[in-house]
Amino acid sequence: AQSVAQPEDQVNVAEGNPLTVKCTYSVSGNPYLFWYVQYPNRGLQFLLKYITGDNLVKGSYGFEAEFNKSQTSFHLKKPSALVSDSALYFCALTGGFQKLVFGTGTRLLVSP
Amino acid sequence: DAGVIQSPRHEVTEMGQEVTLRCKPISGHDYLFWYRQTMMRGLELLIYFNNNVPIDDSGMPEDRFSAKMPNASFSTLKIQPSEPRDSAVYFCASSLGLFGDNEKLFFGSGTQLSVL
Repeated sequence: AQSVAQPEDQVNVAEGNPLTVKCTYSVSGNPYLFWYVQYPNRGLQFLLKYITGDNLVKGSYGFEAEFNKSQTSFHLKKPSALVSDSALYFCALTGGFQKLVFGTGTRLLVSP
Repeated sequence: DAGVIQSPRHEVTEMGQEVTLRCKPISGHDYLFWYRQTMMRGLELLIYFNNNVPIDDSGMPEDRFSAKMPNASFSTLKIQPSEPRDSAVYFCASSLGLFGDNEKLFFGSGTQLSVL
């Protein structure tokens, strides 16, 4: 069975500060990991993915994520947060040739 | 491409009524997914299709829910009869595949369903 956990319901950060949204996973075999973002009244949008290769993955809007196999984590990061980054962020996982499983989501609030 | 198109955007109905949600996937995408999003349960996969064939419907909550994909450009999710606990946002998503680079999902804007 595969699962993904987002331990924080909400993350608060001041504009200009670095941000981290946490994600851990469990899967048999190699993980394929994704981050999606959801803005109010919109569907989810793809941010970035890790399939194989470099552990640091760069994605849209200046976001990046670090894959850590030993800690089974895939945390989302951004060096300098913007107010417009405020949204709901979902980590997702598949073990390959399987349906995508989403975490429960983390609400990011960036204050001016 | 216009992306994944869902209709209606909002649906308000009374308990016991039939509800039909519609989805047009991105042209060329072989996979179509129906998700339900609630505060309590987050994002749940209800069913997905590959080349118009239902592959996994284990997430469909009850027999009141049914989904069809009569052709590559159209799918419906039907609830009959509807109940207040069905109130949620229902998303349709499509993708090229289930593996590697093709795994990326494209979501529609969702249907906000309220059953009174």
